[in-house]
Amino acid sequence: DTGVSQDPRHKITKRGQNVTFRCDPISEHNRLYWYRQTLGQGPEFLTYFQNEAQLEKSRLLSDRFSAERPKGSFSTLEIQRTEQGDSAMYLCASSLSQSADTQYFGPGTRLTVL
Amino acid sequence: TQLLEQSPQFLSIQEGENLTVYCNSSSVFSSLQWYRQEPGEGPVLLVTVVTGGEVKKLKRLTFQFGDARKDSSLHITAAQPGDTGLYLCAGWRAGNMLTFGGGTRLMVKP
Repeated sequence: DTGVSQDPRHKITKRGQNVTFRCDPISEHNRLYWYRQTLGQGPEFLTYFQNEAQLEKSRLLSDRFSAERPKGSFSTLEIQRTEQGDSAMYLCASSLSQSADTQYFGPGTRLTVL
Repeated sequence: TQLLEQSPQFLSIQEGENLTVYCNSSSVFSSLQWYRQEPGEGPVLLVTVVTGGEVKKLKRLTFQFGDARKDSSLHITAAQPGDTGLYLCAGWRAGNMLTFGGGTRLMVKP
């Protein structure tokens, strides 16, 4: 099965530390999306890439957050100086640009900030 | 305030019962999708509805898109324990952002 994979699945960190998550999309998918989902809520869009270009960013993506997709394949999401409010599930999804409405989600990385 | 409001937020029913969950908005969407999410996993796409008034069936699940493309419903007939999960509606507007509702958490008891 070559679906979307995310690493790590769980991360516990102390407030103020930096964390980085990785997403590997489905291999031929040129679009990659990041979402955040807090407990009891639906996912909220953070940002998306088409190939290596970051085309859209949500207001939720504060300056402590940075996402990259350097070679147009895997992507990383880094959170600097984590805060307790950053605790959430971070979901990655990928799609083909010609069928962008069909996104395939990864299992997510659950972040807990103590 | 969420752009897409789902109701009810929680639903607990017995196996064999029917149920309907709703997804409402004051905004028009070019298309609307329904996902199911299980604990510890990402959402899985169930259906996309595009045309106002459209009805799609997926086995025991019936999805309807409102005539004005502002709302949608999901009806499940003869619910089974395997239907337990978080049901999310999500809408596409102009641009490439998918907006999700808050979800309906369904539990079907055997």
